[in-house]
Amino acid sequence: DVKVTQSSRYLVKRTGEKVFLECVQDMDHENMFWYRQDPGLGLRLIYFSYDVKMKEKGDIPEGYSVSREKKERFSLILESASTNQTSMYLCASSLTTGHGYTFGSGTRLTVV
Amino acid sequence: AQSVTQPDIHITVSEGASLELRCNYSYGATPYLFWYVQSPGQGLQLLLKYFSGDTLVQGIKGFEAEFKRSQSSFNLRKPSVHWSDAAEYFCAVGTNTGFQKLVFGTGTRLLVSP
Repeated sequence: DVKVTQSSRYLVKRTGEKVFLECVQDMDHENMFWYRQDPGLGLRLIYFSYDVKMKEKGDIPEGYSVSREKKERFSLILESASTNQTSMYLCASSLTTGHGYTFGSGTRLTVV
Repeated sequence: AQSVTQPDIHITVSEGASLELRCNYSYGATPYLFWYVQSPGQGLQLLLKYFSGDTLVQGIKGFEAEFKRSQSSFNLRKPSVHWSDAAEYFCAVGTNTGFQKLVFGTGTRLLVSP
C-alpha cells in the first residue's frame, strides 16, 4: 500500500513564525497535493505538484508556498503564520485521478 | 469546472438501520467519482470509486454507491450500519481530461445511535 507520511500530527506555532509542514510518499507518485480542512468548508486545495520542481496554485494559495525538490517530498510553507491559518492540513498523492488519492493522517496546526 | 454538493451536514442513524448519504455533482462528461471516509483526527480513506462500467459499485466495509447519470448523483449506501461507521464522509469528483485533480464536497457527518 502507498503510504503518505506527514511529519507532525500536532503543531503549535506563534504568529509571524515561518512554518514548514512536511509530507513524504513512498510509491513514486507524480502528483502531490496540499489541502486544508475546516469545519463546514470541507477540503480546500492550497497547492499541488505534478512533477519535481513543478507547482500549481490551488483555490486558496494566499499566505502559503510549496517546495518539491524530490519526487517523494512535498513541503508546505507558511511564510508568516497567522491565526486564520489554524487548521487541519492534509497531504495527498496520486498516480492518476482514476486511482484516487492516498492521504496522510493530517497535521493539526494551531497558530497562537 | 466540476463541483460536488453533499446536502446533508449531519445524519443520525440507529445501529443496524440502513444508510444513504447523498452526493450530487456537476460536470459535463462522465467524471471519476469517489467516496472517502474520515475517522476523527485521521486522514481520508478511500471507500470506493466509479468511472465506467456497472453503475453500482462495491467498496470496503460493506459500502456501495450507485451512479445515476440522469440525476447527476452518486449516493453512498450501507444496508446495516455499525457503531464503528460513525465518521465524516466525503464525496469527490475528478476529471479525466487536463490536469487531474479532485474536488471534494463539504462532507456529511454520520452519527450512529445505539
